[in-house]
Amino acid sequence: QKEVEQDPGPLSVPEGAIVSLNCTYSNSAFQYFMWYRQYSRKGPELLMYTYSSGNKEDGRFTAQVDKSSKYISLFIRDSQPSDSATYLCAIATNAGKSTFGDGTTLTVKP
Amino acid sequence: DAGVTQSPTHLIKTRGQQVTLRCSPKSGHDTVSWYQQALGQGPQFIFQYYEEEERQRGNFPDRFSGHQFPNYSSELNVNALLLGDSALYLCASSSGDSGLPNYGYTFGSGTRLTVV
Repeated sequence: QKEVEQDPGPLSVPEGAIVSLNCTYSNSAFQYFMWYRQYSRKGPELLMYTYSSGNKEDGRFTAQVDKSSKYISLFIRDSQPSDSATYLCAIATNAGKSTFGDGTTLTVKP
Repeated sequence: DAGVTQSPTHLIKTRGQQVTLRCSPKSGHDTVSWYQQALGQGPQFIFQYYEEEERQRGNFPDRFSGHQFPNYSSELNVNALLLGDSALYLCASSSGDSGLPNYGYTFGSGTRLTVV
């Protein structure tokens, strides 16, 4: 079993839609929960991260962590064509080694 | 301010050969991590270097080795290349022997290695 499983997608939504991206993880020792965005032929770019549990909001993006169910989510409000990319969840312990999901490819159509 | 730079951008090698990939960390960063990203998959952690020593290692064979130089730049070496080594190799830099996002974890654009 993989340490982190990500909803595979792909997802295709109209511009302005609310997007929900989700991952589950297996090890309760994980304390850091990250979301990266990766455009084609580029490296991952950190969007936001959460330490421990709870919600974090940054503009149109909201990250949620539910440690009781080992479930993490990223919500994108008012999605834009420029949001079209692959989104990767990642988790880490305090030791710092990140484990990534396999990514969900999102297409936002104008 | 230059970010993480990797070279070369693309590389084609023959099965059985050896390859060296290079990474210069972001200014102010002293820790370098290497990842392998196969097509359609997430990055897989190979190892992390700090103070010229390998500090953590993922589940990769000894054919994968690395080095960090006094100026914090790093090399990834892969010996006896297999077809399955074809992937995007990513370098990430951060500060203070940490791979955590609150220490400025930043990825480069990667080196695309094709083994034929």
